[in-house]
Amino acid sequence: IAGITQAPTSQILAAGRRMTLRCTQDMRHNAMYWYRQDLGLGLRLIHYSNTAGTTGKGEVPDGYSVSRANTDDFPLTLASAVPSQTSVYFCASSSQGANEQFFGPGTRLTVL
Amino acid sequence: RKEVEQDPGPFNVPEGATVAFNCTYSNSASQSFFWYRQDCRKEPKLLMSVYSSGNEDGRITAQLNSASQYISLLIRDSKLSDSATYLCVVNTNNNDMRFGAGTRLTVKP
Repeated sequence: IAGITQAPTSQILAAGRRMTLRCTQDMRHNAMYWYRQDLGLGLRLIHYSNTAGTTGKGEVPDGYSVSRANTDDFPLTLASAVPSQTSVYFCASSSQGANEQFFGPGTRLTVL
Repeated sequence: RKEVEQDPGPFNVPEGATVAFNCTYSNSASQSFFWYRQDCRKEPKLLMSVYSSGNEDGRITAQLNSASQYISLLIRDSKLSDSATYLCVVNTNNNDMRFGAGTRLTVKP
């Protein structure tokens, strides 16, 4: 793989179900991020990780959790999905100290 | 008030036109500034960084006015391929990138 990948591409999920969105990068970037993008609101940061083993909360963390067991992977988990979590989710990564973020292709999630 | 505000558009311009977008930000501690481009149903990609001295890349120029807290993007001689949504991004620290909602541009033949 080259760059940053996300899975699944899209998903329809019943409310109350647990869901994990996967994100993998092969650029050896230290920092990784999860955003959601909603019409009229732009991208909003959910959680981030500066390096393997550490995570932090972004602007809209409620209802989401992340883990960073290694450099390459940064999964996002919705423990009990709600309809307001219907969105497009983007994972991104950047080199430590650099500002440019590289984005994955996104996951379209619909919670019914 | 949103931290980063952009006119959502849409801007509909003919090929060859010059078009300019502005973006304002509210946090005076912001340290770095960017324009990202996002094509329909695709991920955002860095277009250019923005400096107070200006930054030019071919037909595209970006400028920062830190005193007035706004950044601008100018596209000259618009091409059909410039049609996209342009996202203004402001960074206070490495973990706090704030995105505008985007300005949609459509260039028509």
